[in-house]
Amino acid sequence: ILNVEQSPQSLHVQEGDSTNFTCSFPSSNFYALHWYRWETAKSPEALFVMTLNGDEKKKGRISATLNTKEGYSYLYIKGSQPEDSATYLCAFKGDFGNEKLTFGTGTRLTIIP
Amino acid sequence: DADVTQTPRNRITKTGKRIMLECSQTKGHDRMYWYRQDPGLGLRLIYYSFDVKDINKGEISDGYSVSRQAQAKFSLSLESAIPNQTALYFCATSDPGRGLDTQYFGPGTRLTVL
Repeated sequence: ILNVEQSPQSLHVQEGDSTNFTCSFPSSNFYALHWYRWETAKSPEALFVMTLNGDEKKKGRISATLNTKEGYSYLYIKGSQPEDSATYLCAFKGDFGNEKLTFGTGTRLTIIP
Repeated sequence: DADVTQTPRNRITKTGKRIMLECSQTKGHDRMYWYRQDPGLGLRLIYYSFDVKDINKGEISDGYSVSRQAQAKFSLSLESAIPNQTALYFCATSDPGRGLDTQYFGPGTRLTVL
């Protein structure tokens, strides 16, 4: 069983502040790293997929970076807004052919107005 | 209309009952998955299917079975439900293009086993 860890488990951030959290994954046999955003009472939705070491993706105020050699990815949120409150999941995909995604346990972000 | 639908959305049942959760998709994807989510444990894969004739166990398949009736339909059954199967269940599809398998999730089914 692959070990995909996210930290912190939960986070409270004041509106307007910036924040970041981490996803750690196996550094060998890497194929792709996914980030999903999961709002309460909704289903997870894809944010980013990254495949190359050094990749950086951006969508509005949210960005993500990837370091496959050391096995981590950071998700950054700049100028947090209440609508950013959600659980952020990362998922690792290995390169053994039809590997499934292995999900981390998520970081639950709450923005305090 | 939602691309991935699940029925029922909520279900309360008793220990020992047989339960079927259904998933339908209009995305045209060959790959379909069933996950369960428990607090603090993230999403764990129960079963997956890469096409109509392909069914595979995930990491927590004991106590569950599946049926892939068509490309668009993938059902999860609990033959004899037990309380520790109380969880939020998600169906998902993916497009294997470029091997990325980005997941598209249904709205979830909240199952309570008393």
